[in-house]
Amino acid sequence: AQSVTQLGSHVSVSEGALVLLRCNYSSSVPPYLFWYVQYPNQGLQLLLKYTSAATLVKGINGFEAEFKKSETSFHLTKPSAHMSDAAEYFCAVSSSNDYKLSFGAGTTVTVRA
Amino acid sequence: DTGVSQNPRHKITKRGQNVTFRCDPISEHNRLYWYRQTLGQGPEFLTYFQNEAQLEKSRLLSDRFSAERPKGSFSTLEIQRTEQGDSAMYLCASSAPGQTLGNTIYFGEGSWLTVV
Repeated sequence: AQSVTQLGSHVSVSEGALVLLRCNYSSSVPPYLFWYVQYPNQGLQLLLKYTSAATLVKGINGFEAEFKKSETSFHLTKPSAHMSDAAEYFCAVSSSNDYKLSFGAGTTVTVRA
Repeated sequence: DTGVSQNPRHKITKRGQNVTFRCDPISEHNRLYWYRQTLGQGPEFLTYFQNEAQLEKSRLLSDRFSAERPKGSFSTLEIQRTEQGDSAMYLCASSAPGQTLGNTIYFGEGSWLTVV
């Protein structure tokens, strides 16, 4: 079975500052890792995914994440926050023998002007 | 390419009533998933179909819940004798056949259920 833990349920950043959202995974088989974003009252939109190719993954809206096996981490970053980045972010894991996703509890991002 | 479509988007029902949600996946996606999300939590897996076959059900899916995908296209999720604890957003998602390496799962906008 696989699982993810998101460190920090809430992150507040100033506009233009670095956004860093932390995710650690647990998996007995090689994982596939995902970051999704959810805006209020909407479904989930895929930001990026890691599928055992390049360890640094670039996604939409300027986000990127780095897979670090030694640290079992897949942290999400964006160099410069924009007001439109205010949302809830979910890290999720699946594997080659399990099609479903297991999600973390989410991190809410607020952006201060 | 239309996305995953869910309806109704919002449903308010009295405790004890039955409710049904419908999901239309992305065309040609053979895998369809149902998740439940409560306030402040991440989505929790409920069940998953490959074509018309229901391949996995979570223990969260009590016998009051039933999901079907009769022709391998749209799916319905029915909750019988609703309880206040069923209040949540029910998310449907789908993914394409063939690829097995970290299939991208596409989500609909969800159906909010409020049981009063």
